[in-house]
Amino acid sequence: AQSVTQPDIHITVSEGASLELRCNYSYGATPYLFWYVQSPGQGLQLLLKYFSGDTLVQGIKGFEAEFKRSQSSFNLRKPSVHWSDAAEYFCAVSSGGSYIPTFGRGTSLIVHP
Amino acid sequence: GAGVSQSPSNKVTEKGKDVELRCDPISGHTALYWYRQSLGQGLEFLIYFQGNSAPDKSGLPSDRFSAERTGGSVSTLTIQRTQQEDSAVYLCASSLGQGGQETQYFGPGTRLLVL
Repeated sequence: AQSVTQPDIHITVSEGASLELRCNYSYGATPYLFWYVQSPGQGLQLLLKYFSGDTLVQGIKGFEAEFKRSQSSFNLRKPSVHWSDAAEYFCAVSSGGSYIPTFGRGTSLIVHP
Repeated sequence: GAGVSQSPSNKVTEKGKDVELRCDPISGHTALYWYRQSLGQGLEFLIYFQGNSAPDKSGLPSDRFSAERTGGSVSTLTIQRTQQEDSAVYLCASSLGQGGQETQYFGPGTRLLVL
């Protein structure tokens, strides 16, 4: 069965600092990987996704993520965080044979001015 | 275009009462999902609809939970005899097709509080 681990429940950064949110997955074949963001009181919005090809994926709002098969990771990065990035971030994994993605428990990002 | 909408936004009910939560997916999206998000938890899959196929109900936590999708569009999640542990945010999502590569588009959720 596929699983997703987001080891950090909360991350606090200063505005303008760089950010990396960790995501590790467990799945035998090449997975489909997603990062979603949830602002307070809102639903989830897709930031980026990886299926195949270039392992560095660019997304919206200046985010990027890198797929590392050897580490079973798909970490989300942003070089300079803005206060509006404060939100909950979810990593998700699925596969060609599974139409139901598995979501991690989420990482709450707090941005200090 | 319009996104996924859900109603009501908030629902407060008394233990033992039934509630109905509504989801309007994006027009043309054939797949529809319901999830439950409890405080500090990730998304818990509840049920999945795809076109005219039989729904995947494998995530429903008990027989008090049911859902239907009429005409391949609007969906209603019903919780009978609500319990306090049913308090959560219920999220609906739709996608254009089925398959693991599809992007899900989420509604804002219904916040359910059972007193």
